[in-house]
Amino acid sequence: LAKTTQPISMDSYEGQEVNITCSHNNIATNDYITWYQQFPSQGPRFIIQGYKTKVTNEVASLFIPADRKSSTLSLPRVSLSDTAVYYCLVGGAGSYQLTFGKGTKLSVIP
Amino acid sequence: NAGVMQNPRHLVRRRGQEARLRCSPMKGHSHVYWYRQLPEEGLKFMVYLQKENIIDESGMPKERFSAEFPKEGPSILRIQQVVRGDSAAYFCASSPYLAGALSTDTQYFGPGTRLTVL
Repeated sequence: LAKTTQPISMDSYEGQEVNITCSHNNIATNDYITWYQQFPSQGPRFIIQGYKTKVTNEVASLFIPADRKSSTLSLPRVSLSDTAVYYCLVGGAGSYQLTFGKGTKLSVIP
Repeated sequence: NAGVMQNPRHLVRRRGQEARLRCSPMKGHSHVYWYRQLPEEGLKFMVYLQKENIIDESGMPKERFSAEFPKEGPSILRIQQVVRGDSAAYFCASSPYLAGALSTDTQYFGPGTRLTVL
């Protein structure tokens, strides 16, 4: 399984765009990159997933460079309710054992 | 459509007692996964079950821990003779098919059970 590295914590003011970068130097050819969000006292919630280039949904965007050794989760105009821990996961087909690191604790400040 | 349900949400046990954690998957989901999260850590995979079958229990301690997913009723994670080190949040996830068959985005998590061992 590819190991991921992401910042332990980040602070941001309300209304700003937040970019959280994850490094995964040993990503395999068939691996996808998935981001989850976890609020205190809740289970993780799927945010977005991608394989290469850019993926966008109603919640976030995911940017993946050509070498796929890193990825960046972009949250536009964050609000206080975006305060949570964000996890970057890497895994391929059949990898039902989701591997969560310590994640990035995002604190949104009024 | 109700999400994944877990109960109890909080469970307190004394050392040596048994803990039973229940998980009701989303309607139509027949695959269940259990994870454990220690304080300030990420979730760690424990076991993967389908109805009446344990598919992969490689992440579960070999002693004192067991899991089942009967034909009827919720999935149960059972911890016998609990010790203080078992204190953690236990999360259940479910999927309608084998999560990860094509990608890894299809596990839906419950709110967790927080086990405290005194």
